[in-house]
Amino acid sequence: NAGVTQTPKFQVLKTGQSMTLQCAQDMNHNSMYWYRQDPGMGLRLIYYSASEGTTDKGEVPNGYNVSRLNKREFSLRLESAAPSQTSVYFCASSQGASIGGEQFFGPGTRLTVL
Amino acid sequence: AQSVTQLDSHVSVSEGTPVLLRCNYSSSYSPSLFWYVQHPNKGLQLLLKYTSAATLVKGINGFEAEFKKSETSFHLTKPSAHMSDAAEYFCVVSDREEYGNKLVFGAGTILRVKS
Repeated sequence: NAGVTQTPKFQVLKTGQSMTLQCAQDMNHNSMYWYRQDPGMGLRLIYYSASEGTTDKGEVPNGYNVSRLNKREFSLRLESAAPSQTSVYFCASSQGASIGGEQFFGPGTRLTVL
Repeated sequence: AQSVTQLDSHVSVSEGTPVLLRCNYSSSYSPSLFWYVQHPNKGLQLLLKYTSAATLVKGINGFEAEFKKSETSFHLTKPSAHMSDAAEYFCVVSDREEYGNKLVFGAGTILRVKS
């Protein structure tokens, strides 16, 4: 039982390049989330998917797109990377989009945009 | 909207002494509150959670937190620090107002444990 897995672990991009961050969970969870972590700011929600087939914007969605490919997989795409998107990205999942639910986090992707 | 304030960005303790990490929250609802820990270059791990049951919540590795509604606080404590406790700790509130099960994170407290 791997939990939440993310690929790649590290990535360096040049401004304007595109890339997709992959996330998969094997816990049969309904809801999945993408966060970014910046120093001194905690984690901020980029997008989330309450259930398969639905996606919604979070707190900081600009410059990103997401795809809920199936129940297991939730990808995050940067179409034209900018230095402001240098961050650590975490994927998470939870049983359902209901209050009180614990979220399980992946190990993160460290992205640097030059 | 709900928010979380972690009152200390850095806390330094000696091994074997008590740990206190302070957290205040604001919430329009009966909140769910969590503490997560992040060791260097690792993902986040749940330490404990409060979901309107007992106000004193026990978590893993000897940590506990007390929910005090009158003070809107959810401070994290441990009687005796261990070197392995050195990490960053996040106080988190579950926000149902805008998004289902959205987690609102505090800015984090870095705990340093001196030998």
